[in-house]
Amino acid sequence: QVHLVESGGGVVQPGRSLRLSCAASGFRFSSHGMHWVRQTPGKGLEWLAVIWDDGSNRQYGDSVKDRFTISRDNSKETLYLEMISLRPEDTGVYYCARDVQPKILVANFDYWGQGTLVTVSS
Amino acid sequence: DVVLTQSPLSLPVTLGQPASISCRSSQSLVYSDGNTYLNWFQQRPGQSPRRLIYEVSNRDSGVPDRFSGSGSGTDFTLKISRVEAEDVGLYYCMQGTYWPPAFGQGTKVEIK
Repeated sequence: QVHLVESGGGVVQPGRSLRLSCAASGFRFSSHGMHWVRQTPGKGLEWLAVIWDDGSNRQYGDSVKDRFTISRDNSKETLYLEMISLRPEDTGVYYCARDVQPKILVANFDYWGQGTLVTVSS
Repeated sequence: DVVLTQSPLSLPVTLGQPASISCRSSQSLVYSDGNTYLNWFQQRPGQSPRRLIYEVSNRDSGVPDRFSGSGSGTDFTLKISRVEAEDVGLYYCMQGTYWPPAFGQGTKVEIK
């Protein structure tokens, strides 16, 4: 069955960087677009970024544009989120989620990972 | 950006009784292909979200038939015909028609 496992979270100081990973299994990773979504106490669930099946298109939410970069390695069946200039308000649980489509014109997540906690604090 | 407003935010329910959650959108969620990309997710305590309903009214595989979705345009509803103990948790609507995708604030279902 579909399995998504996030890793890379932890405690980081404001202004520092972190890279999250999402290992996929149980489906053809290269045939699906993928998203990152976070859950914070302040904003609830917030969509962050999407990448198409082949990496040819990426989009970001306004709050993370220019600071976060989504990428993928289809040979490793892994999705990434590179985060720089982290702020206390970035604290939350970060989820990867699979989209039903490879090239995403409308967002339609079906499966989510279990999440990884990021805490930005001095 | 599209805003989704859920109500109520807290829903105490007696076991075996029905429950209903409303989700209203600031814009019509009908996409140019004629479909409406409004989904419902359940998040049990300590777990990640799980999709229950996609495109307004389609139940995901393995979702009990006591869950149903309805609505059109800007007004949508998730109904639980008879609440069971395992239904406790947070419920979110989510729209995928417009970018960026957006979620409602969440409704907490608890047992009275």
